[in-house]
Amino acid sequence: KNQVEQSPQSLIILEGKNCTLQCNYTVSPFSNLRWYKQDTGRGPVSLTIMTFSENTKSNGRYTATLDADTKQSSLHITASQLSDSASYICVVSANAGAGSYQLTFGKGTKLSVIP
Amino acid sequence: DTGVSQNPRHKITKRGQNVTFRCDPISEHNRLYWYRQTLGQGPEFLTYFQNEAQLEKSRLLSDRFSAERPKGSFSTLEIQRTEQGDSAMYLCASQLGTSGGNEQFFGPGTRLTVL
Repeated sequence: KNQVEQSPQSLIILEGKNCTLQCNYTVSPFSNLRWYKQDTGRGPVSLTIMTFSENTKSNGRYTATLDADTKQSSLHITASQLSDSASYICVVSANAGAGSYQLTFGKGTKLSVIP
Repeated sequence: DTGVSQNPRHKITKRGQNVTFRCDPISEHNRLYWYRQTLGQGPEFLTYFQNEAQLEKSRLLSDRFSAERPKGSFSTLEIQRTEQGDSAMYLCASQLGTSGGNEQFFGPGTRLTVL
């Protein structure tokens, strides 16, 4: 069964600090891995998409890493801001064949940035 | 704003009533997805369309649920005889093209509360 596990479940950090969120997955056959940011009561917004051959991808203060051998990914947030408070969801795409693919979503890490 | 709109944003209904949600995807996006998200969980796949054709339905989509995309543009999701367990955020996402690496753009969601 395809699964995506995220840790920690929740995290509180001071404004200006860095943090790293973790994602472990057992999804096969792997197509790509995505990180989304979801503000409370809103839909998810894409931060990064990484394929098998990509190890690192950045989007401003967000840097995602992927280790396809250990099936782990991380999202590093630098110099956090109050607006970074949100849930961060790791999503892994599996190629289901015939032009179809399946997304498996993690439960998310709820990040709270406090002044 | 991702360009995907959903209406209504909030719906409160009594158990046993029927409800219908609408999703307007980004123009020219040929794929449209419906997801359900409960509190503290990641989105769960319900169904998706390629143009007007409904290509896949999750086992989560009971016979009380029906989705349509009659002209390959907007889509509706109807829930008949609602139950309290249907209370959730219903998310719509659109995608251009059929590649598994293409980004999905999510709408703001419709939050359903069944009393």
